[in-house]
Amino acid sequence: AQKITQTQPGMFVQEKEAVTLDCTYDTSDPSYGLFWYKQPSSGEMIFLIYQGSYDQQNATEGRYSLNFQKARKSANLVISASQLGDSAMYFCAMREGGSSNTGKLIFGQGTTLQVKP
Amino acid sequence: KAGVTQTPRYLIKTRGQQVTLSCSPISGHRSVSWYQQTPGQGLQFLFEYFSETQRNKGNFPGRFSGRQFSNSRSEMNVSTLELGDSALYLCASSPGRTLSGNTIYFGEGSWLTVV
Repeated sequence: AQKITQTQPGMFVQEKEAVTLDCTYDTSDPSYGLFWYKQPSSGEMIFLIYQGSYDQQNATEGRYSLNFQKARKSANLVISASQLGDSAMYFCAMREGGSSNTGKLIFGQGTTLQVKP
Repeated sequence: KAGVTQTPRYLIKTRGQQVTLSCSPISGHRSVSWYQQTPGQGLQFLFEYFSETQRNKGNFPGRFSGRQFSNSRSEMNVSTLELGDSALYLCASSPGRTLSGNTIYFGEGSWLTVV
């Protein structure tokens, strides 16, 4: 069964340092997509980065990069040069493939990140 | 480009009442998905609509229903509200078709409190 696991309930990082948030997944579908979202206390779910299972290179979006290790079924989010505004809950999510490009996601439990000044 | 718009943002209902939440997806997106987020259960998929048809359904009772209109706007309805329905309800918008883009965008959510 498809599953996303985030083993770090909470993380602290010093401002301007890099931080890695862990995510492992389980699926039997060879075609899938992995997403990371940021959720501040306001509740909005902000899209950060996407990685397709067939993508040859790790995805990057500004200060965000995804360390995709397919054989290990891990998709860790790396945030470089942390800022105070990065303090939020972070979710890893997966969409299984197929031709429909469905909007159905399976989410992990989330990691709360606090950036210290 | 306008984002995903959800209304209302906050609402309080009494047990037994019913509630309707609305979601307007990004222009051109034809898939709308709904999620329930609670502290105990986390984020759970409710259902997805694509081109006015329910394409996927999560494991929720029949009190939870939805629909999508021809302009892709979607509504979800919860009837006979229970205290456990108190949650953040999130709407997600995506193109819905292969080769039309992979990203799924969310709205700000609707905070429902049942008293």
